[in-house]
Amino acid sequence: GAGVSQSPSNKVTEKGKDVELRCDPISGHTALYWYRQSLGQGLEFLIYFQGNSAPDKSGLPSDRFSAERTGGSVSTLTIQRTQQEDSAVYLCASSLDPLGGFEAFFGQGTRLTVV
Amino acid sequence: AQSVTQLGSHVSVSEGALVLLRCNYSSSVPPYLFWYVQYPNQGLQLLLKYTSAATLVKGINGFEAEFKKSETSFHLTKPSAHMSDAAEYFCAVRSGGYNKLIFGAGTRLAVHP
Repeated sequence: GAGVSQSPSNKVTEKGKDVELRCDPISGHTALYWYRQSLGQGLEFLIYFQGNSAPDKSGLPSDRFSAERTGGSVSTLTIQRTQQEDSAVYLCASSLDPLGGFEAFFGQGTRLTVV
Repeated sequence: AQSVTQLGSHVSVSEGALVLLRCNYSSSVPPYLFWYVQYPNQGLQLLLKYTSAATLVKGINGFEAEFKKSETSFHLTKPSAHMSDAAEYFCAVRSGGYNKLIFGAGTRLAVHP
């Protein structure tokens, strides 16, 4: 596609439910990133994929959070047993080459609200 | 470890006035530095980047930034603010490890008539 696509754009869920957030990166981009943006906060790094592997998961806040990437393309971020503090905008970014000039292209995000 | 500090969470300027958004970085290796802009309810868009070439970097929409190693700064400027510049601006540094971006907390720019 023309850009990074994320779905859904908005998600309201009840506390304790599981949610899945999807990211479709730009075709051919090998690097994929998930970030979280909480109200009034900056962007918090969650996880980085190179191809289908995740060399850096250091930003995942708890074991309720997990992510996978298949076929070197689509990625899913899963949050189990959601809590109110999980409410945030989850942003996905992809880049063609993690070395060199490294321009990351961002999707419009998924706004997650846990009630 | 790399980090970014943006001074001023909110900046307000008059239309036509100079825009100056401050960013200081910490990096143990020569940094790659970026400025992104986020308009309401949208994702982040790259404004400009520094990758160890020219220290004065020009970006889109009339913005530019100057890399100053001695001051560990990468401040963003625009000579004349437009109403359409109202947005949130993020400074970021590329980490030396797995090439993720480390972001500052952001500066919200308001432009008033």
